[in-house]
Amino acid sequence: QSALTQPASVSGSPGQSITISCTGTSSDVGGYNYVSWYQQHPGKAPKLMIYEVSNRPSGVSNRFSGSKSGNTASLTISGLQAEDEADYYCTSYTRSSTLGVFGGGTKLTVL
Amino acid sequence: EVQLVESGGGLVQPGGSLRLSCAASGFTFTNYWMSWVRQAPGKGLEWVANIDQDGSRKYYVDSVKGRFAISRDNAKNSLYLQMNSLRAEDTAVYYCARVRTVTIFGVVIMSYFDYWGQGTLVTVSS
Repeated sequence: QSALTQPASVSGSPGQSITISCTGTSSDVGGYNYVSWYQQHPGKAPKLMIYEVSNRPSGVSNRFSGSKSGNTASLTISGLQAEDEADYYCTSYTRSSTLGVFGGGTKLTVL
Repeated sequence: EVQLVESGGGLVQPGGSLRLSCAASGFTFTNYWMSWVRQAPGKGLEWVANIDQDGSRKYYVDSVKGRFAISRDNAKNSLYLQMNSLRAEDTAVYYCARVRTVTIFGVVIMSYFDYWGQGTLVTVSS
């Protein structure tokens, strides 16, 4: 299963907004609205931040939002805070496999 | 409160076997698909295996087919991963996760993981 493509790293200053992209194909990201995003702090388990492209679970800050255009999904974090510094992963349903496919992950640095 | 607690990790020699367990609580275990996801040191996440609610459907990533077996005991609210013929490249933290699915025209779609355990480290080395 081919991984989705994410930038290796992004950075931003406190208070700014950043966007992390997740690029796939028409067989996964582009063809279905089953993209989710996870935040992972060092040594911790991943945490669900966005599901089904743009839905936010209860308890997740509204500073986190998701969207999709064509074969690329995006996670936007507004009003960056120091605690947002973490790794972020996207995943998507794919018709090419019975399992989903993950992105390679993006390290967010808050300057 | 939903809790997933993995156990069973450790150091094993190449070619050896290990059985991971995941104890679930705080939800009706029999209602959900479950997964194992792993993360090699310093690397990204990799979906390893899925199992449906009654254990009749099981899916694996190609790299573990024929070596790993996912199973569950609904009476014990537990998920398992039997790992045989282990290789150095299987070294990773293994997470169990609850899967939320959508069924459309009879096709089950793995939508997202809503809860994760804390993970258990498996190290394959001589």
